[in-house]
Amino acid sequence: AQSVTQPDIHITVSEGASLELRCNYSYGATPYLFWYVQSPGQGLQLLLKYFSGDTLVQGIKGFEAEFKRSQSSFNLRKPSVHWSDAAEYFCAVGANNAGNMLTFGGGTRLMVKP
Amino acid sequence: ETGVTQSPTHLIKTRGQQVTLRCSSQSGHNTVSWYQQALGQGPQFIFQYYREEENGRGNFPPRFSGLQFPNYSSELNVNALELDDSALYLCASSLPSGGPETQYFGPGTRLLVL
Repeated sequence: AQSVTQPDIHITVSEGASLELRCNYSYGATPYLFWYVQSPGQGLQLLLKYFSGDTLVQGIKGFEAEFKRSQSSFNLRKPSVHWSDAAEYFCAVGANNAGNMLTFGGGTRLMVKP
Repeated sequence: ETGVTQSPTHLIKTRGQQVTLRCSSQSGHNTVSWYQQALGQGPQFIFQYYREEENGRGNFPPRFSGLQFPNYSSELNVNALELDDSALYLCASSLPSGGPETQYFGPGTRLLVL
């Protein structure tokens, strides 16, 4: 069974600073990886996904993530954080033999200081 | 293109009651998945419907059941509500491709069980 760990429950960064949110997954085969963002009281919005190919993927809102098979990681990055990026971020893994079932991490809450 | 919609947005029930939550999938999507997100946690997969049949189920008891209709909309029914059923219930739609596809989430229904 697959699993996802997001080691940082809360992160606070200053506006304009760079950001990296960590995600580690456990899955025996090639994973399908996603990052979603959730604003308070809202549903989940897809930021980016990795299915295959180039291990550095670009997403919306200036986010990018890098798949590192050797480290079982899929960390999310942004070079300059904006106050509107404050939200909860979820990493998820999908398995090819499980239809569209996603397994989510526990989330990282991002706070942005002015 | 219409996104995923869910109704109601909020509701309050008492322990032992039954509840029905509704979801309309994104235009052209014929697969619907339901997730439960308890406060402060990541979403957990409940089940998925494809062509009106259950197509995968997470670790949830049988009192969680669902339906999918010919227009691909879906219902989640929960019988004998328990206090721990209080959560945000998220619906997601996708296209089936034989492997994981991007899931698009609705805004959720927040259920409070007293």
